[in-house]
Amino acid sequence: NAGVTQTPKFQVLKTGQSMTLQCAQDMNHNSMYWYRQDPGMGLRLIYYSASEGTTDKGEVPNGYNVSRLNKREFSLRLESAAPSQTSVYFCASSDAGGHADTQYFGPGTRLTVL
Amino acid sequence: AQKITQTQPGMFVQEKEAVTLDCTYDTSDQSYGLFWYKQPSSGEMIFLIYQGSYDEQNATEGRYSLNFQKARKSANLVISASQLGDSAMYFCAMREPSIEYQGGKLIFGQGTELSVKP
Repeated sequence: NAGVTQTPKFQVLKTGQSMTLQCAQDMNHNSMYWYRQDPGMGLRLIYYSASEGTTDKGEVPNGYNVSRLNKREFSLRLESAAPSQTSVYFCASSDAGGHADTQYFGPGTRLTVL
Repeated sequence: AQKITQTQPGMFVQEKEAVTLDCTYDTSDQSYGLFWYKQPSSGEMIFLIYQGSYDEQNATEGRYSLNFQKARKSANLVISASQLGDSAMYFCAMREPSIEYQGGKLIFGQGTELSVKP
């Protein structure tokens, strides 16, 4: 079991470029999440998908779009990257959305926008 | 609104001693979950321990225990017999109750950086 995998691990973009961050989980989880981590701010939720076919905005969705491709995969797209989107991006998954369900995280993608 | 507060930006502990990392939370919901994650310098987020709001006993996982004081809204992490490998950032998080159990989101504190001295 690989758990939650993310690609790429590192990425440098120029302002205005677009890219897609990929995430996949092999734990048969229903719910998936995208967070960003900025220095000194903990993690903040960007978007989440409670189940296949549904997506919802989190705390900081502006500038991002997501696609729940199937049960395993949840991608995050930056249409026109801005320096303010320089951050570490984490994907996570959980069995369901209940308060007791543990979220398991991928290794993260470190994104720099110049 | 739900909120998690970790007031200790950094802490030091001597190897083999116990250490307590503080976490307080704010919520008006009766049903919620509290989590602790470890983030070593390599960057990954590692789940450590979970406490449910209705659990009467404090959660324990090996050397980790969660000191849950519901009336004070605190969920402190206790690490016993600290090891050098415990040096990392530690995050407290609360699972926001979700409507119809869909997409319960984690709200994170700002973290505490623990350094274990040999």
